[in-house]
Amino acid sequence: GAVVSQHPSWVICKSGTSVKIECRSLDFQATTMFWYRQFPKQSLMLMATSNEGSKATYEQGVEKDKFLINHASLTLSTLTVTSAHPEDSSFYICSARSILGPRSSYNEQFFGPGTRLTVL
Amino acid sequence: AQKVTQAQTEISVVEKEDVTLDCVYETRDTTYYLFWYKQPPSGELVFLIRRNSFDEQNEISGRYSWNFQKSTSSFNFTITASQVVDSAVYFCALIKAAGNKLTFGGGTRVLVKP
Repeated sequence: GAVVSQHPSWVICKSGTSVKIECRSLDFQATTMFWYRQFPKQSLMLMATSNEGSKATYEQGVEKDKFLINHASLTLSTLTVTSAHPEDSSFYICSARSILGPRSSYNEQFFGPGTRLTVL
Repeated sequence: AQKVTQAQTEISVVEKEDVTLDCVYETRDTTYYLFWYKQPPSGELVFLIRRNSFDEQNEISGRYSWNFQKSTSSFNFTITASQVVDSAVYFCALIKAAGNKLTFGGGTRVLVKP
């Protein structure tokens, strides 16, 4: 149990285009989802936290107009990178947590497999 | 504020050697959870262990063992008799019990040579 999927697993796009990444909790309802970005040979950096049905909370330094997050249902969150540029090329990882679901008492997050974005 | 420090950026060992990864954390909270994750070249984070702040018992799982010492705010991880498949980046992470934000250390890249 507690499986999180991401789609696509990798994407290559031209500079200036927008890219949407989906994060789904497959076997539990995710009240909260998180989006991380990881540059090569670096750690994961939290970009934003989203609760179902409400606006995402962005970390300092993350442009909310560039990285649009929608958490419309308890099993789906999307991250849209708008007008992508080469510096947005990175590995994007989502995670999900439920206050009612598996291992909720441990405040544990379940991670998706990641999406590698390359902007040419 | 929370902070997790993994002082070793890269460790290279020969197969069958033991390797210990250090993790030191800072938090003002009395109740928190510590995690270790493995990130192989594929990129997917693999959960290894969770430990809550009130449980200082060491844990062993196969070739993996963990040493949690609250007095020194450390949660070290040892791989015994390393194998090539252990080559990956390992992350230590911390979250307070009632919090949202999982704080990661910088990661330690382990390279196990045959």
